[in-house]
Amino acid sequence: DAKTTQPPSMDCAEGRAANLPCNHSTISGNEYVYWYRQIHSQGPQYIIHGLKNNETNEMASLIITEDRKSSTLILPHATLRDTAVYYCIVSTHFGNEKLTFGTGTRLTIIP
Amino acid sequence: DAGVTQSPTHLIKTRGQQVTLRCSPISGHKSVSWYQQVLGQGPQFIFQYYEKEERGRGNFPDRFSARQFPNYSSELNVNALLLGDSALYLCASSYLMANYGYTFGSGTRLTVV
Repeated sequence: DAKTTQPPSMDCAEGRAANLPCNHSTISGNEYVYWYRQIHSQGPQYIIHGLKNNETNEMASLIITEDRKSSTLILPHATLRDTAVYYCIVSTHFGNEKLTFGTGTRLTIIP
Repeated sequence: DAGVTQSPTHLIKTRGQQVTLRCSPISGHKSVSWYQQVLGQGPQFIFQYYEKEERGRGNFPDRFSARQFPNYSSELNVNALLLGDSALYLCASSYLMANYGYTFGSGTRLTVV
């Protein structure tokens, strides 16, 4: 079973910030929060990950609550190409752990 | 650098047949994982291999098998195909202890008729 809970769908206007929430109340101390997205008919694409501090890269920002029980992925200026299914996953950091995908959030960017 | 490459991209098989799917990881990546994605669902873990050894197996029947070669490429075999095996099969590679997660290929779309 997936260890995370996400809303099934969200809409966001083009050019606005898209904020995607994720609950992971049973996260362990050695588990990271990873975000992937999957554009239609392609393989999942890694976006960002974090342990307890907020993280930012060229694609997105990740905000993790102090108790680590939830997080928010922020796409600062959403474009139509950001329309995809976004998956929030918790996993240890060793590169040899399986990823347990849930059903994700289907984000639709509206022109 | 080439990403994770999978072949073939599409495949149609008949029930009861056998199929072999292939994956070439990113150069330098020693870990390869396989996932099955049925339409409308998230990917489900099938196998992980590292240094040619099986390191993990998901809840799939023995009809599913895999192996990793000395060059770190991998094959996924499925015997006695069922209609329910129709799915997108994804391969992902990673460098152990990497700081950037897994890189997925575009997948092989298998249709069983």
